[in-house]
Amino acid sequence: DAKTTQPNSMESNEEEPVHLPCNHSTISGTDYIHWYRQLPSQGPEYVIHGLTSNVNNRMASLAIAEDRKSSTLILHRATLRDAAVYYCILSPPWSGGGADGLTFGKGTHLIIQP
Amino acid sequence: DGGITQSPKYLFRKEGQNVTLSCEQNLNHDAMYWYRQDPGQGLRLIYYSQIVNDFQKGDIAEGYSVSREKKESFPLTVTSAQKNPTAFYLCASSIHSNQPQHFGDGTRLSIL
Repeated sequence: DAKTTQPNSMESNEEEPVHLPCNHSTISGTDYIHWYRQLPSQGPEYVIHGLTSNVNNRMASLAIAEDRKSSTLILHRATLRDAAVYYCILSPPWSGGGADGLTFGKGTHLIIQP
Repeated sequence: DGGITQSPKYLFRKEGQNVTLSCEQNLNHDAMYWYRQDPGQGLRLIYYSQIVNDFQKGDIAEGYSVSREKKESFPLTVTSAQKNPTAFYLCASSIHSNQPQHFGDGTRLSIL
């Protein structure tokens, strides 16, 4: 399975943008890039996913490198509620056949300073 | 509101006892999953089910069992064969496998 590499932790200030990097140099041509986040003592929450083009939603933006070997999750204006562990995960597309669940690494612990 | 409900939030098990964790979803999702999370670690897949009456082992299925008799329910039994069951257990569902997953709030299992 293709793996991802993320920094163990990052720190940012409230109301500033946050860029969370993820390296996935062995990504296959059909793997989607998913981001989830997990607040303490809660289940993970889906944030965003993409394949090749940059993606935006109400929570964040996802910038994908042209060679797809890396991506960046962008929180445009961090709040204290964004403090969480952020996971970058690769997932093959749904083929209707057998498929595993998601493979979560240790993620990036994002600390937001007031 | 639609979502996933896990119960109980906290569960204690005696040595040699089987316990069952509940997971119910009203999202009309076909696929459901069980994960285990240990302190400071990511999630590891225990079992998953793509459709009713079918399920597959994940990476760490030993000592666990599941059933999928109804679309909305996917209970997990932690058997006495699981020697280190203390962990945070998370249930998830998705429209189809490999689509974005929705997670419950988890059950924290401890051994007395």
